[in-house]
Amino acid sequence: DGGITQSPKYLFRKEGQNVTLSCEQNLNHDAMYWYRQDPGQGLRLIYYSQIVNDFQKGDIAEGYSVSREKKESFPLTVTSAQKNPTAFYLCASSRGGSGPPRPQHFGDGTRLSIL
Amino acid sequence: KQEVTQIPAALSVPEGENLVLNCSFTDSAIYNLQWFRQDPGKGLTSLLLIQSSQREQTSGRLNASLDKSSGRSTLYIAASQPGDSATYLCAASPPPQGGSEKLVFGKGTKLTVNP
Repeated sequence: DGGITQSPKYLFRKEGQNVTLSCEQNLNHDAMYWYRQDPGQGLRLIYYSQIVNDFQKGDIAEGYSVSREKKESFPLTVTSAQKNPTAFYLCASSRGGSGPPRPQHFGDGTRLSIL
Repeated sequence: KQEVTQIPAALSVPEGENLVLNCSFTDSAIYNLQWFRQDPGKGLTSLLLIQSSQREQTSGRLNASLDKSSGRSTLYIAASQPGDSATYLCAASPPPQGGSEKLVFGKGTKLTVNP
């Protein structure tokens, strides 16, 4: 079945450490997104990518970095510059391109905590 | 800047009741309005997507309406069941840029359906 796989499900970060969250999709979607969700809050966009080798900052990109070397993969690195990284991180993808709008598909998320 | 508000933040109803969840948005220049369901500790599941040219969409016991002029959308759930218990989020999409959609989410309504 097609879908989005995020790993790991739980991740712990030490002070000063960079950590990378994995996101892989087999839906053949062009566009991919990373969101952050804090308790009782809606989702906020961190980064998004329309095509391979291209990505754009979202509303809260500071302290994060991404890459898009393959269509299927869009990893997110939480750097030591992100002072409040504890949150639930969600990856999504959509078909992109022209044509009628299609809903975004989401992975099951990675919960990041500080040790 | 688009802002999306969902009221109420939480709702508890007895099984079998019909209910309405509300979503309002500040900028009527939307491309589409999407409703999602989120179970605890999980990602989002798309329920309904209403294009800006449409007034409503239906799927089973769910019906979503859109009134751009008033900046409102509602999600109607008929004959609620305990399995409907989840957090429901709405998201507004501005006109897409290069094929990607930067969704703006509300904080969600947590629904509990009591048997």
